[in-house]
Amino acid sequence: DIRMTQSPASLSASLGETVNIECLASEDIYSDLAWYQQKPGKSPQLLIYNANSLQNGVPSRFSGSGSGTQYSLKINSLQSEDVATYFCQQYNNYPLTFGSGTKLEIK
Amino acid sequence: EVQLVESGGGLVQPGRSMKLSCAASGFTFSNYGMAWVRQAPTKGLEWVATISYDGSSTYYRDSVKGRFTISRDNAKSTLYLQMNSLRSEDTATYYCTRVAGSFGDYFDYWGQGVMVTVSS
Repeated sequence: DIRMTQSPASLSASLGETVNIECLASEDIYSDLAWYQQKPGKSPQLLIYNANSLQNGVPSRFSGSGSGTQYSLKINSLQSEDVATYFCQQYNNYPLTFGSGTKLEIK
Repeated sequence: EVQLVESGGGLVQPGRSMKLSCAASGFTFSNYGMAWVRQAPTKGLEWVATISYDGSSTYYRDSVKGRFTISRDNAKSTLYLQMNSLRSEDTATYYCTRVAGSFGDYFDYWGQGVMVTVSS
């Protein structure tokens, strides 16, 4: 199974700041990576797919990058509505696997 | 508007069975692969099973293989998950998800989730 190691586990940042969340795959996943946002009490929502493609309707302050085994999600100009837990997911191979999540809070 | 509405969850004893349903609307159901993803209380996300657009191919995580069966009825735009021999570790919220398309098995729409509690 491909292991997805996500960091940090939690993050506190101020409004307007830029934050980065990292995801490390245990083997090359050839950019088959998605990022999801899960707000408290809600279902996850797709933010990014193919490592760097923005899902329709997602604000442009979200961006993804990376290749091989290392990927990151960047949130520019942090807003209060960005408080959520963020998950990465690889879909290069079954079983599909998720990172353990990063809980983002506002300082 | 794409909608995925799960039903069929609840409390079940270990070793018993339960069947989840997911009613889909707002898109051509028969054109998309579908999947179930679960989330144990206060835990992360865990993929459970995927079914191809026509039902000809299915994929499962090892821990549910032989116990769970994913299926679909394209005429009814409904996805199912038959869960047998349930264990306490199957306790989770189960999400019905739409596979985004031919680009890969990521999920562009999620249902609201249905809770399954396995306990005596």
